[in-house]
Amino acid sequence: KAGVTQTPRYLIKTRGQQVTLSCSPISGHRSVSWYQQTPGQGLQFLFEYFSETQRNKGNFPGRFSGRQFSNSRSEMNVSTLELGDSALYLCASSLRGGSTNEKLFFGSGTQLSVL
Amino acid sequence: AQSVTQLGSHVSVSEGALVLLRCNYSSSVPPYLFWYVQYPNQGLQLLLKYTSAATLVKGINGFEAEFKKSETSFHLTKPSAHMSDAAEYFCAVSVYYGGSQGNLIFGKGTKLSVKP
Repeated sequence: KAGVTQTPRYLIKTRGQQVTLSCSPISGHRSVSWYQQTPGQGLQFLFEYFSETQRNKGNFPGRFSGRQFSNSRSEMNVSTLELGDSALYLCASSLRGGSTNEKLFFGSGTQLSVL
Repeated sequence: AQSVTQLGSHVSVSEGALVLLRCNYSSSVPPYLFWYVQYPNQGLQLLLKYTSAATLVKGINGFEAEFKKSETSFHLTKPSAHMSDAAEYFCAVSVYYGGSQGNLIFGKGTKLSVKP
């Protein structure tokens, strides 16, 4: 079974641009969560999607958005990039998500650098 | 509200020595607790999880953790460190009602270095 796939692996953008990151979950998983990882803040929750609906949202500005498609693939978009958006963006999938003891399966992440 | 504190952002041990990574949690209800590991340039993978079945939980790669309710702790241990254990380790607690913190609250992480 293929794992969680994130594309692209690396991205370099300039301030003011926008970016779209993609995540393909493990087959059969309906929950996809996104996290931002930085050395200073650690792992911060962005949002979770389940069956094409956003179920939870973290404390990030509206420039961060996401969506999930009927095949459970998910994208996140960041508009008007700022230097502080430079981070590793991780996607994680699970069968049901929500408040359970489920294991999360993480992708390798997309390393975004904003210049 | 649930929270997780990992004591020590960096831990260094010699190969063959005991590994002890500390995690304390705060939860008003019985928690689900997890340890994840992140190797360089990779995502996180689950080491082990506590779901109230047993207080001593065994995970992959020889790691184990003990849930101590009286101390609100879930420390991760391994009797003998191996060079391949060098990575960053994250303790996490499952949140019952989701919300802005998401379904898992992660600690800040502890980087483990293993000296030959």
